[in-house]
Amino acid sequence: EIQLQESGPGLVKPSQSLSLTCSVTGYTITSGYDWSWIRKFPGNKMEWMGYISNSGSTNYNPSLKIRISITRDTSKNQFFLQLNSVTTEDTATYYCARGYYSSYWFAYWGQGTLVTVSS
Amino acid sequence: DIVLTQSPALAVSLEQRATISCKTSQNVDNYGISYMHWYQQKPGQQPKLLIYEGSNLASGIPARFSGSGSGTDFTLTIDPVEADDIATYYCQQSKDYPTFGAGTKLELK
Repeated sequence: EIQLQESGPGLVKPSQSLSLTCSVTGYTITSGYDWSWIRKFPGNKMEWMGYISNSGSTNYNPSLKIRISITRDTSKNQFFLQLNSVTTEDTATYYCARGYYSSYWFAYWGQGTLVTVSS
Repeated sequence: DIVLTQSPALAVSLEQRATISCKTSQNVDNYGISYMHWYQQKPGQQPKLLIYEGSNLASGIPARFSGSGSGTDFTLTIDPVEADDIATYYCQQSKDYPTFGAGTKLELK
């Protein structure tokens, strides 16, 4: 059974970078699908941030394009989120999820990790 | 951006039908496929896929859940509502880069 698990610091200071890891078990990320980061803000708004494909290409939400980077380590079956120059507006629960190719529904999600941006 | 609009809350009685709507700012159909998907989320849990491509039931989801609609108007129906269905429901489109509705909180009447 495929499982995704986010990990990383729960507190980040404003202007710094937010870095999270998604560890995938039960499926090899290079075998198929796209691997996304999605966040849910306080107040329940959800935002798709971007993905890395099974081949390593990336696609980002235009609103985040200048601040975001998604990379991967295929040897560890992990993919990563880096979000630069964070502000308090980036406080959210961050999820990693598997996207179904171009139809983009998300059948598998991690449990989510809360990241608070505060000094 | 394609904007998705949902009512904030819906009150329903157990054993009755719940109808949750989602309206999109642009047509999300393409070549006969509706790029509209529905999720259930309970507090402290990750979203769970219920319906994909407008009307397809996701694996393991009870047949009490169904999706319908096309173009810019979509509906998630739960019939009959059970106590375990009390949650927040989100629609999501993928015609363009993915965007989500703000969620409809299903409450007991």
